[in-house]
Parts: sequence; structure tokens; C-alpha cells
Amino acid sequence: DADVTQTPRNRITKTGKRIMLECSQTKGHDRMYWYRQDPGLGLRLIYYSFDVKDINKGEISDGYSVSRQAQAKFSLSLESAIPNQTALYFCATSDPEQGLGETQYFGPGTRLLVL
Amino acid sequence: GNSVTQMEGPVTLSEEAFLTINCTYTATGYPSLFWYVQYPGEGLQLLLKATKADDKGSNKGFEATYRKETTSFHLEKGSVQVSDSAVYFCALSDAYTGTASKLTFGTGTRLQVTL
Repeated sequence: DADVTQTPRNRITKTGKRIMLECSQTKGHDRMYWYRQDPGLGLRLIYYSFDVKDINKGEISDGYSVSRQAQAKFSLSLESAIPNQTALYFCATSDPEQGLGETQYFGPGTRLLVL
Repeated sequence: GNSVTQMEGPVTLSEEAFLTINCTYTATGYPSLFWYVQYPGEGLQLLLKATKADDKGSNKGFEATYRKETTSFHLEKGSVQVSDSAVYFCALSDAYTGTASKLTFGTGTRLQVTL
């Protein structure tokens, strides 16, 4: 089984709808992240969480919110979806005990289309 | 702030050709440097990394050397295979700004290898 899973894998929604993307991990890592990937822009950080009680904004948090329900679960919500939020969304985890060069482990991604 | 610049793609090579994908960075502290690879339809996975100047990361025949004097971390492989076709991302994390695990990504370089 995959260590980092994301649901749904694909989603089509309409402008103004609220949607939630879910991420679960079995790696036992405290740190979790949400990124979006757009063609020509690479990956940009939306939110990150270093433990269950810690939530931090990334570089593009406007229009998004997150919830860290447990060490293993980190959800991303779009409160009122708009077309420019159409993108590929990735969840990732990492282990701070690695020290320098901490590796991030990515889920398979959720492809979101906002009409 | 931190930034990563990598060569634009796509890069198209014949099988067994030599590969170089250029990556340069700007960082305020002492970054760790990474190459991540994204195969079609999958999430990103770590290819190799280096945590200090003059370190060489290597994996699956790929190599990259951390050059502080030129602020570069170019990816090389002596003989590419069709199975290396993917998108390659250069990234950095900056341990000394209190955000050791936050990654800054380049825009990605698509590699296509043909028979």
C-alpha cells in the first residue's frame, strides 16, 4: 500500500462550491504539506503543518484552508472554488529527525478542475 | 528570498545520450539541494540530494555536485534510457532560517528520451 494517499484523485467542481481534498499517511511523520502544481510554475507551497497543533501558511494560502485532524491526516479545503484554482494538488510528508536534507514524500496528486 | 532557476524544457534526447539539466539557486542561508523526479501520472520522488558544498549526490546513474562558488547543482547522467523520461525538479531547503523542511522548487524540466 502507498505510504501517502490522496482522495479524490480527480475532481471536477463548479465555481463557488466548497470542496475538500484529503491526505493520509502511514509513514508516522509529524510534518505534512500541501502544494499545487501549475504548468511552467513548478510546485508552490499552500500550507504546512509541523505537528497536529501547528498550522502555517505557505506562499499561496489565499482561498484555501487546512485541517490537521490527526498526525496521519491533513485536509485542504477550497472555501469557494474559482477557475484559477484548477491545478494538480500534492500532499507531502517529512521526518525532522533526518536533519539536514530532510526528504519529502509525495502522494500521487489530485487533479482538480474548476468550471 | 530563496529561489531556484532551472533550464527550460522540453529536453529531447536519443537513448544512450549524455544528459545535463542546469540548476542554479539563490539562498540567504546554507541550503540543502535536491533533485526530485516526477514520472507520468505520479507524485514526485527524491532522486538525489546534497547537504553541503562540494558534496555529490548520486542515484540510478544520475549525479549532481553542490557548487557553492557558482551556486549550482546541475544534474547529469552519462547514458539516458527511455525509462528516464520524466519531469525533473531542482529544489532547495534552507536549514538556517528556521524552515529546514520547506522546499523551494524550480519550474521543472521535462525530459523525453527516444529510441
